[in-house]
Amino acid sequence: NAGVTQTPKFRILKIGQSMTLQCTQDMNHNYMYWYRQDPGMGLKLIYYSVGAGITDKGEVPNGYNVSRSTTEDFPLRLELAAPSQTSVYFCASSVPGGKAFFGQGTRLTVV
Amino acid sequence: KQEVTQIPAALSVPEGENLVLNCSFTDSAIYNLQWFRQDPGKGLTSLLLIQSSQREQTSGRLNASLDKSSGRSTLYIAASQPGDSATYLCAVHSGGGADGLTFGKGTHLIIQP
Repeated sequence: NAGVTQTPKFRILKIGQSMTLQCTQDMNHNYMYWYRQDPGMGLKLIYYSVGAGITDKGEVPNGYNVSRSTTEDFPLRLELAAPSQTSVYFCASSVPGGKAFFGQGTRLTVV
Repeated sequence: KQEVTQIPAALSVPEGENLVLNCSFTDSAIYNLQWFRQDPGKGLTSLLLIQSSQREQTSGRLNASLDKSSGRSTLYIAASQPGDSATYLCAVHSGGGADGLTFGKGTHLIIQP
């Protein structure tokens, strides 16, 4: 059972570059989420989706975009990378009211 | 705005001790509460999920309680082992449960052999 898979695991970006963080889940979960985790801080919600074609902003959406064309995939797009986006990014999925399943994370450094 | 606080931020105890980790939240109108474990450089693993109508959940040596009216939850770990060393995160789902979790900053736990 793969669960939630994130790629890449590590990435270094230069300021102003763009990239897409990939997330896919094989549990047929409707709900999917993107969080970022900074050192010494709790996880912060970036975007979430309750189903294909439906997305909404979380607490810290600025500088990011998402799409949800299928139940399985929920990519996160960074358009103009900034040093403030250096962080560890986690994708998660769940059924309504159920346990959240997390991917292993993508460690992003913007230089 | 929901805020989640975890105390203590760090804890180091000898192997075999029973211990309690604390979590408090400011808005009692929660949908559910989860306790997670995070190992260094890894993702989060959900340990226990307590629905708002429940008072506690148990899994092996772990027991989590919820007092929604006072905005508190505790995670009790019995007979601690070195393998329990990790960061433990508390998170709440507010509203209808769809709009993401609000996390505490975690308790970094070290169990000394």
